[in-house]
Amino acid sequence: DVKVTQSSRYLVKRTGEKVFLECVQDMDHENMFWYRQDPGLGLRLIYFSYDVKMKEKGDIPEGYSVSREKKERFSLILESASTNQTSMYLCASTSVFLGQNTEAFFGQGTRLTVV
Amino acid sequence: AQKITQTQPGMFVQEKEAVTLDCTYDTSDQSYGLFWYKQPSSGEMIFLIYQGSYDEQNATEGRYSLNFQKARKSANLVISASQLGDSAMYFCAMREGLHAGNNRKLIWGLGTSLAVNP
Repeated sequence: DVKVTQSSRYLVKRTGEKVFLECVQDMDHENMFWYRQDPGLGLRLIYFSYDVKMKEKGDIPEGYSVSREKKERFSLILESASTNQTSMYLCASTSVFLGQNTEAFFGQGTRLTVV
Repeated sequence: AQKITQTQPGMFVQEKEAVTLDCTYDTSDQSYGLFWYKQPSSGEMIFLIYQGSYDEQNATEGRYSLNFQKARKSANLVISASQLGDSAMYFCAMREGLHAGNNRKLIWGLGTSLAVNP
């Protein structure tokens, strides 16, 4: 059974803290993604990575950074958490796209609250 | 401009009836893929069905089918015989340029909330 696992379902952090959200996939996928989901705004792409140590900015990268030291692990880092980063965070992975169906597999999500 | 439009923020359906969730898209690519995902209240996104732009037949997966009308740029999800467990958010997504290399991003609609009434 394929799996994308996020380290926490629920997280509460204080303003100004450095926050790490971890995501691990066991499907040997090349591509990994971090999304943020807010009511009425759908899924917004924060960062994605198509290879180890490679990363590209998504639509809303400000206030975030990422790390991909190993193929199976993609970390999202909030350098200094702020209340407007309270949200649901979703990690996803896909195999390389070669003109065929390559659906994204998602983790269970992390509901982060910054107080 | 929105590339994926889901015009129904919320929908209600009676158990055992069929329901259609609308999705229209905008792309100039000839090669693209369309996806539907379900997100229950637990939060996890679940892949339902895929339609490639060159697929001549509408995709089906169990009770899910995709009504693909290429000329109208619509890819509506049809759920037959609704069940209480179908109550969830449903998202339509598109990936453009399927043959243009490792095109990595999905473009998402804002979703439709479906409630199935007993």
